[in-house]
Amino acid sequence: GESVGLHLPTLSVQEGDNSIINCAYSNSASDYFIWYKQESGKGPQFIIDIRSNMDKRQGQRVTVLLNKTVKHLSLQIAATQPGDSAVYFCAERSKAGGSYIPTFGRGTSLIVHP
Amino acid sequence: KAGVTQTPRYLIKTRGQQVTLSCSPISGHRSVSWYQQTPGQGLQFLFEYFSETQRNKGNFPGRFSGRQFSNSRSEMNVSTLELGDSALYLCASSLDGPRTEAFFGQGTRLTVV
Repeated sequence: GESVGLHLPTLSVQEGDNSIINCAYSNSASDYFIWYKQESGKGPQFIIDIRSNMDKRQGQRVTVLLNKTVKHLSLQIAATQPGDSAVYFCAERSKAGGSYIPTFGRGTSLIVHP
Repeated sequence: KAGVTQTPRYLIKTRGQQVTLSCSPISGHRSVSWYQQTPGQGLQFLFEYFSETQRNKGNFPGRFSGRQFSNSRSEMNVSTLELGDSALYLCASSLDGPRTEAFFGQGTRLTVV
């Protein structure tokens, strides 16, 4: 889920397990959401996106679920692998004064144990 | 296809100085966005340029500015550096803006001493 303060929440899983990472977004007017993966020393990498007119979208080993009622987004990773270890964060885009402004969550650190 | 290239990778500057960071987007991408990433604040949007025009702007002071050239390459400038400007500055490019997949560079690590 979202972090509070300087410390990221951590999710530890065993290789082969399914992982679920949660994100609470803030703006009910947000209409586009993205999940990113960031490995140490690298820039964020796009994983999957979803528009607000959908509630579920699947990719390769990943599924994003969107619950607009409670403003909640989740990322499910199937059969988690050690290479999935990284910080995952969600982003929402909303329109403010005619401009699209992206807002990012603090992230969740995923640790996959072999 | 080459990815997003940011230069330099690391930079140390003194308070009060100014700095310019460079970003070369993926070929064909016209949108370039800049972000600041710190442990305390996470990833924050600075601004987006599209076809040489600033199209979106985040909530940062005027010391932070940018520009985009006709070949879509972009530069970001920070004047009168403060200690709190120490951060990883990331650039992302996309085909045409906020709704398309964005590709990030590896960032420029700026340390202000």
